[in-house]
Amino acid sequence: DAGVIQSPRHEVTEMGQEVTLRCKPISGHDYLFWYRQTMMRGLELLIYFNNNVPIDDSGMPEDRFSAKMPNASFSTLKIQPSEPRDSAVYFCASSLGSTFTDTQYFGPGTRLTVL
Amino acid sequence: AQSVTQPDIHITVSEGASLELRCNYSYGATPYLFWYVQSPGQGLQLLLKYFSGDTLVQGIKGFEAEFKRSQSSFNLRKPSVHWSDAAEYFCAVGGDDKIIFGKGTRLHILP
Repeated sequence: DAGVIQSPRHEVTEMGQEVTLRCKPISGHDYLFWYRQTMMRGLELLIYFNNNVPIDDSGMPEDRFSAKMPNASFSTLKIQPSEPRDSAVYFCASSLGSTFTDTQYFGPGTRLTVL
Repeated sequence: AQSVTQPDIHITVSEGASLELRCNYSYGATPYLFWYVQSPGQGLQLLLKYFSGDTLVQGIKGFEAEFKRSQSSFNLRKPSVHWSDAAEYFCAVGGDDKIIFGKGTRLHILP
């Protein structure tokens, strides 16, 4: 398997623009997680899905952030409008089984820079 | 409050020397404990995990970790580091409803 795939790897945009990050989980994995990594706050869980259904989005920082999983092989994280403080590395991860007790497989991340 | 503390932000060791990275946690229920490694420009990769049984856990790349309930610690060790071990290491604690990652320890290797 190719592992978790994320695109783009790097994104530079201007404040106020819409940003869409994409993720393809490992085939057969039931759980998909979106994380944000910053120097100040470390790795934060934003939202996770089980069988394409959002389970907990309490980590999403604001209404400007939204995530969808239209099918088992694709998820998006959208920021609209983007702000400079959204600059971070965004990771997608997937796991086969139990929510937070199973091994998570991380993608390479998308480095987002908002000017 | 539930938390994970990695007290060392940076650690530098010489190649061939032994390594210990510290991790302390606070978690109400029985925790699942993880160590992940992140190489530059990459995502996190699982080194090892613990839930129950033998408190000394073996992982990949020659790493091991020891769970000490009395100290709420889950320290990562390696007897002899290689230059390729230079990376950032994250301790995490997971349960039924959440996972918490530490802030990470960046490991530097001297030749």
